Amino acid sequence: GNSVTQMEGPVTLSEEAFLTINCTYTATGYPSLFWYVQYPGEGLQLLLKATKADDKGSNKGFEATYRKETTSFHLEKGSVQVSDSAVYFCALSDHGTSYDKVIFGPGTSLSVIP
Amino acid sequence: DGGITQSPKYLFRKEGQNVTLSCEQNLNHDAMYWYRQDPGQGLRLIYYSQIVNDFQKGDIAEGYSVSREKKESFPLTVTSAQKNPTAFYLCASTPDSDYGYTFGSGTRLTVV
Repeated sequence: GNSVTQMEGPVTLSEEAFLTINCTYTATGYPSLFWYVQYPGEGLQLLLKATKADDKGSNKGFEATYRKETTSFHLEKGSVQVSDSAVYFCALSDHGTSYDKVIFGPGTSLSVIP
Repeated sequence: DGGITQSPKYLFRKEGQNVTLSCEQNLNHDAMYWYRQDPGQGLRLIYYSQIVNDFQKGDIAEGYSVSREKKESFPLTVTSAQKNPTAFYLCASTPDSDYGYTFGSGTRLTVV
């Protein structure tokens, strides 16, 4: 079945460092791909999405490119801030045989220190 | 503004008690979902509903029940049969999975 794999956390970076969180997926068909962010004590928020191969999603300085040849959707940011400390979830759409759903990776915790 | 409202934000349950978590959306989404999140863990699906008056069990439905009498509402009841209910509960909705989910802000349930 469809699945999402993310790099293990936690990830700790200094402020202004470059961020990469790796995400690879297994899917049949052509899913949409997403990154969600969860700040402490809150629900998940959609950070960015891409709906087809070679699309680049971007928001708040974060970017991810839908790479069908490598089945990847890595999240990047050029200069992280303390306020970026959160848990990041990679996800894909799955129309499935039984019901329509989004499949989430396990999440990667990011801590940014001043 | 459209969105999903979960209430209450914090809920305390005594042993042997049933409690109901509210989830209301004004996004006109057909599909709604309940997830459980334990500390440092990912999301686990409890129940989902694709249309009104229809719902299905997810991966961890034991000890939980739901109803979907209105498109806007998908309440979750945590019954006394759920032996370890302390967790963070998230409700989500979508018109289509390619759109992604919209989440509520969550309810933190604690057994006292």
